[in-house]
Amino acid sequence: QQQVKQSPQSLIVQKGGISIINCAYENTAFDYFPWYQQFPGKGPALLIAIRPDVSEKKEGRFTISFNKSAKQFSLHIMDSQPGDSATYFCAARGTSGSRLTFGEGTQLTVNP
Amino acid sequence: NAGVTQTPKFRVLKTGQSMTLLCAQDMNHEYMYWYRQDPGMGLRLIHYSVGEGTTAKGEVPDGYNVSRLKKQNFLLGLESAAPSQTSVYFCASKQDTQETQYFGPGTRLLVL
Repeated sequence: QQQVKQSPQSLIVQKGGISIINCAYENTAFDYFPWYQQFPGKGPALLIAIRPDVSEKKEGRFTISFNKSAKQFSLHIMDSQPGDSATYFCAARGTSGSRLTFGEGTQLTVNP
Repeated sequence: NAGVTQTPKFRVLKTGQSMTLLCAQDMNHEYMYWYRQDPGMGLRLIHYSVGEGTTAKGEVPDGYNVSRLKKQNFLLGLESAAPSQTSVYFCASKQDTQETQYFGPGTRLLVL
């Protein structure tokens, strides 16, 4: 059972555009929501993360929007660049603190 | 610091063969994880460890065994490989007081 659902599976955006990836979760006990970025042939790396006590977090061109009542969160990439082309995973952590549940992943392609 | 390293990088097995994947980290992290990554299914947790000498099952533990005899190493074993275990395997580690998981570069396994 996938507790974190991610969409879309793939996304193509033009350079300078906005990329939006969405995730929905079921478990209200989740208390930490990171996004990981993975380039081809590499392991995932933390991009940005949010806790449910805030509705938005911004780091440079990357923003997480969080809707606790809807149990949804999304990643927005402003002014998307070809170097942003990668696979993005959302994730959620339970209250045990030791495990992450990942979404299915979104393959983002930014065309020049 | 090398971070998280994995050996081997690539391996081909025949059905029924056994092998061990090695993960090593030089960050003195308490927690270590083994994931498998399959297209459209994200990262799924196989087993994890919260400290030397401890192991616990994740989402998809069947067909795998692990050992954490030394703090810096986490071994993943396949006793009798099956084609369904064809995947990319990632190891990760994290400090017990922090949230970020650091991933290795992955091991690509093909079971024929």
